[in-house]
Order: sequence, then C-alpha cells, then structure tokens
Amino acid sequence: QKEVEQDPGPLSVPEGAIVSLNCTYSNSAFQYFMWYRQYSRKGPELLMYTYSSGNKEDGRFTAQVDKSSKYISLFIRDSQPSDSATYLCAMRKSGGSNYKLTFGKGTLLTVNP
Amino acid sequence: EPEVTQTPSHQVTQMGQEVILRCVPISNHLYFYWYRQILGQKVEFLVSFYNNEISEKSEIFDDQFSVERPDGSNFTLKIRSTKLEDSAMYFCASSGLTSGRRTRTGELFFGEGSRLTVL
Repeated sequence: QKEVEQDPGPLSVPEGAIVSLNCTYSNSAFQYFMWYRQYSRKGPELLMYTYSSGNKEDGRFTAQVDKSSKYISLFIRDSQPSDSATYLCAMRKSGGSNYKLTFGKGTLLTVNP
Repeated sequence: EPEVTQTPSHQVTQMGQEVILRCVPISNHLYFYWYRQILGQKVEFLVSFYNNEISEKSEIFDDQFSVERPDGSNFTLKIRSTKLEDSAMYFCASSGLTSGRRTRTGELFFGEGSRLTVL
C-alpha cells in the first residue's frame, strides 16, 4: 500500500461550485497535514497546514483531518477559474528537526467560467 | 515577500555530464531541501540539510548526488554523472527556525524549480 494516495483526477467543475479533494494515507505516524497548490511549471505553494485531527478554515478553503480513518480533505467554496491548478496533499511525522514531506500525486482541478 | 530562487530554470545536458543546480533559500531559514518531480509523478524528497550537513536523505539520493552550501546564501545540488532517469523538475525548499528564535513555522517554501532534461 502506498504511503499517500490521491486521486489524480482530472476534476472539472463550473465556477461557483464546491470542490472536494481528498487523500488517504497508511502511516499512522503522520501528524502534520498540508495542502499545496501547484500551477503549471511552478513550485508548490502552501495553502493549508493542520496538526492532527480537526478542521481548519481560511477564507474559501477548509481543511479536514480524520486520523482515525487516515483521511484528509480540502474543500474549496465558491470556486474560481483562478483556482485551476494541481492540488497536492502532503504530510509529515512529528519530532525531529526537519520537515521532510511525503506528497500525494496531486489532483488536477479545472474551474470553468 | 521573501522567496526561494532557483537557477537555471531549465537545463539540457548529455547523459554522463555533471550538472549543478543552484538555489538561494530565504535568508533567515536554516533548513534546506531538495525535492524532485518526474513528469506525471509525485513530488519526492531527496535530501534535507541543516548546519552544514545532510540531516536526512532518501534512497534516491545515491552517490551520484551531493549538496553543498558553499557560502552564506547559496545551496547547490550536484549530479555527478547524469542518467536519462534524472530528467525531472528539481525543487529547492527552505524552512525552519529563524535565527535566534524557537518558533517553528513548519512551512516549507518552495522555489519555482529547475527543469533538467538529460538526453
């Protein structure tokens, strides 16, 4: 079983739709969970950063972590064409002094005007 | 806003040649990383670097790879003898403690990447 699994899509939605992206993972040692956005031929940009289980909201973005199910989600409300990008989940263990991330494969999202 | 910068943006090289990819991390960051992304695949961890030494490396980071922080600003990745399968986008990132403070943000800031094409 892969450490982090993410449906690569592609996912195409109309402008204004609610988008749901998710990842599953197998390593229970992961404690920190992140969502990155990556535009074509650019570096990943951090969107959301959460620790352990729970919800976190930032503007139109909500991140959810369910550690019991080893399942994380990112919701985008009122999606915009500018949200069109690849969304990467990433996670890391706690402890240690560096931040080695394990990424999902990314989901390609297109928001159509 | 501070950012991680990488050069070159694209390099084409012949198999067997040495390549050096350069990065300027954010100035008050102390942890530095290289990740790579082969076309259509995951972003993969290669190596982390702290206090002038490698703190962790993946199985991908074999003897053909090396990293160096030759001065106070640059962080380089060297591939000694490139192979076709080294063709990928290489991302530099930085993070961690700011000098003199204990607060950790835990956020990795990524550069825009260097695309390496090995022919």
